[in-house]
Amino acid sequence: GDSVTQMEGPVTLSEEAFLTINCTYTATGYPSLFWYVQYPGEGLQLLLKATKADDKGSNKGFEATYRKETTSFHLEKGSVQVSDSAVYFCARKSTGNQFYFGTGTSLTVIP
Amino acid sequence: DAGVTQSPTHLIKTRGQHVTLRCSPISGHKSVSWYQQVLGQGPQFIFQYYEKEERGRGNFPDRFSARQFPNYSSELNVNALLLGDSALYLCASSSGTRGDTGELFFGEGSRLTVL
Repeated sequence: GDSVTQMEGPVTLSEEAFLTINCTYTATGYPSLFWYVQYPGEGLQLLLKATKADDKGSNKGFEATYRKETTSFHLEKGSVQVSDSAVYFCARKSTGNQFYFGTGTSLTVIP
Repeated sequence: DAGVTQSPTHLIKTRGQHVTLRCSPISGHKSVSWYQQVLGQGPQFIFQYYEKEERGRGNFPDRFSARQFPNYSSELNVNALLLGDSALYLCASSSGTRGDTGELFFGEGSRLTVL
């Protein structure tokens, strides 16, 4: 069935390190893909999105490219900051506007 | 502009009781969805409403019900609460119109604890 699988955490990185959080999906067709972020004590916020194959979403230094060949949407950032510490969720949208979320990856960035 | 607002923010119930959670979408948004987020997991889809009609339902028992009002606000009701219903309940809104890119805007959630 439809699902999203993302890299399990927790992930701990030093400031300015490179970040990759893997995400793959299963679906029929080419669904819109999203990364949401949940900062401590806050609700889910959209980080970036891509609505078709080969699109690259980007925001706040984060990037993710929609790869239909590998059904992936990996999140990357070249230099993380302490303020990036949060839980990151990969998600895909169904044709009926229902979202399927991954289990989340907790990121802690240490100074 | 106000974002998605939910109430109450926290509540404690006992097994067998009933709970009603409320949500006001972003002004102009006509679609409201409800998600359950159990600790350590991603949100799971419960319901979607658009223009007061149910447009989608996730794999949840009939104890869960919802409705949307003419002002597009929404209520989620859960009857006969079980311990396993303890979770953060998230409401999300979207414009729901044709051409909508589908981005969901989430509230901060209602944390339900069932004892």
